[in-house]
Amino acid sequence: DAKTTQPTSMDCAEGRAANLPCNHSTISGNEYVYWYRQIHSQGPQYIIHGLKNNETNEMASLIITEDRKSSTLILPHATLRDTAVYYCIVRVLERSSAGNKLTFGGGTRVLVKP
Amino acid sequence: EAQVTQNPRYLITVTGKKLTVTCSQNMNHEYMSWYRQDPGLGLRQIYYSMNVEVTDKGDVPEGYKVSRKEKRNFPLILESPSPNQTSLYFCASSTYRGENQPQHFGDGTRLSIL
Repeated sequence: DAKTTQPTSMDCAEGRAANLPCNHSTISGNEYVYWYRQIHSQGPQYIIHGLKNNETNEMASLIITEDRKSSTLILPHATLRDTAVYYCIVRVLERSSAGNKLTFGGGTRVLVKP
Repeated sequence: EAQVTQNPRYLITVTGKKLTVTCSQNMNHEYMSWYRQDPGLGLRQIYYSMNVEVTDKGDVPEGYKVSRKEKRNFPLILESPSPNQTSLYFCASSTYRGENQPQHFGDGTRLSIL
């Protein structure tokens, strides 16, 4: 799986959009970009994923650059409950891959402030 | 409600006293995994299961056992716990069907081995 680079931390104002960048310059053509988050000491939570098109769901939007070397997760209206560590993961969608194992890097610690 | 349930949530015990952490999912998922999370080391996979009666070692299996007699349950067994197994443990499940195969995590079990 390709390596990702994320900022260590960032602050965001409540009600504003939070834009979380992720660099994955060594991404391969068959690797997807996944985002998870982990609220303090809770289990990681899936947010969104994409291959090359921009994606949106009820939680967030994912913008992937045309060369796929970077992406941005957008939380459109951040709330205090969005305070968490956000992980960007790049992986192949292999159904036999170690039971769908996830490998998390350091992530970005997002603090949403009132 | 779709969920992964772990028990207990917290446990303090002593070296050598056998313990079992239970994990159950109600989504009919084929894949199940156990992870441990330690500061600075991220999430590491202990064991995983691709389906009933099919289990395999993850990255850090030493000192642990698992079984998968039923599709919904995947208990983690520590036959002779040691202090270095003090950690936060997560059970996760996912399906291999379809393009999107996000992992669903339990709320975690915090184990302290004295």
